Amino acid sequence: KQEVTQIPAALSVPEGENLVLNCSFTDSAIYNLQWFRQDPGKGLTSLLLIQSSQREQTSGRLNASLDKSSGRSTLYIAASQPGDSATYLCAVRSAGNMLTFGGGTRLMVKP
Amino acid sequence: DTEVTQTPKHLVMGMTNKKSLKCEQHMGHRAMYWYKQKAKKPPELMFVYSYEKLSINESVPSRFSPECPNSSLLNLHLHALQPEDSALYLCASSQGQGTSSYEQYFGPGTRLTVT
Repeated sequence: KQEVTQIPAALSVPEGENLVLNCSFTDSAIYNLQWFRQDPGKGLTSLLLIQSSQREQTSGRLNASLDKSSGRSTLYIAASQPGDSATYLCAVRSAGNMLTFGGGTRLMVKP
Repeated sequence: DTEVTQTPKHLVMGMTNKKSLKCEQHMGHRAMYWYKQKAKKPPELMFVYSYEKLSINESVPSRFSPECPNSSLLNLHLHALQPEDSALYLCASSQGQGTSSYEQYFGPGTRLTVT
């Protein structure tokens, strides 16, 4: 059974810092990996989708990498801003289009 | 249009009430999903519909009853819920389900409180 772990569970940084969120998964037989952002009490906003054949994807200040063989992904956020404060979830997609979510990283960026 | 809509946004119901959550998409997607999310926890899959047929039920109690009247609409009927069922209920859709990989699009969720 696929298990997804995110480290750290919570992170507080001053504005302007570059930061890295980590995601690991136990079964490398995935189709792709997706990073989501969730604001308190809200739905999920898709940030980046990396196919299993890809190594990384970039969108603005966000860069996500995928090392399928080692079961790891990182989300890099450059020049963090208070508006980046949210919970970040990674999810891996396996057979049957099933999504398995990690526990999330709660990010607080202080002005 | 890549939007999944959910109504209502908030719902408060007693344990003897019957209510329904509604989800709608107009992207032509043929797979639709219900997830339950407790506070500070990741979403947990409840049901999957593929081509309007229930394909996955993750051992969800019968007080939750899904319905897919057509390819654009997904309902979740609620009856005799317990306070521990209070959560954010998320709907998602994708082009298909199968063995191919399709991106899931999520709605904003319905915040349910059971009193």
